[in-house]
Amino acid sequence: DAGVTQSPTHLIKTRGQQVTLRCSPKSGHDTVSWYQQALGQGPQFIFQYYEEEERQRGNFPDRFSGHQFPNYSSELNVNALLLGDSALYLCASSLTGGIVNYGYTFGSGTRLTVV
Amino acid sequence: QKEVEQNSGPLSVPEGAIASLNCTYSDRVSQSFFWYRQYSGKSPELIMSIYSNGDKEDGRFTAQLNKASQYVSLLIRDSQPSDSATYLCAVRGSGGGSNYKLTFGKGTLLTVNP
Repeated sequence: DAGVTQSPTHLIKTRGQQVTLRCSPKSGHDTVSWYQQALGQGPQFIFQYYEEEERQRGNFPDRFSGHQFPNYSSELNVNALLLGDSALYLCASSLTGGIVNYGYTFGSGTRLTVV
Repeated sequence: QKEVEQNSGPLSVPEGAIASLNCTYSDRVSQSFFWYRQYSGKSPELIMSIYSNGDKEDGRFTAQLNKASQYVSLLIRDSQPSDSATYLCAVRGSGGGSNYKLTFGKGTLLTVNP
């Protein structure tokens, strides 16, 4: 049973560039959330996608955008990269009806470094 | 006041001891509570969930929830060196069916010494 898969594993970008991160949810899951985890901090909620729509958004600027495809996979796009965007980006999937009891399953993350 | 607070540690315990990790939250009507374990350089792994007052046990782990005190804890019995990791407390807040996000604390670093 494949878990949550993310690509790429590591990425180095220059300030001002744009980046796209990808996520395939765990088999059977229909909801994808994206989190940003800076060094020494807990994950911060960026947004969640369900039925190909952004269902909820955290306190992140419009430079952060996303998409969910019919097969439930998702992309996170970040435009005009800043040095402060350097972090571990985590994708988390769940079955909508199971969030209350089962939380989220996280992928291994994408380490983004902005130089 | 931060939404979810944890002592950052590090918390150091000897092998075989009980490790006690604590978390407080500010949203009085929070619904669900989770403990995640995160090894250095890895992603968070769910180890416990709890949503009713009281204790919930799973193997060496016990989660305790007190909604009146807005407090949730995790006890690890017979601690092993492999338990050394950062433990993240996560809370799903109020908002009924429209609030799906988990809010995380900064995590507590646990070190179990052989």
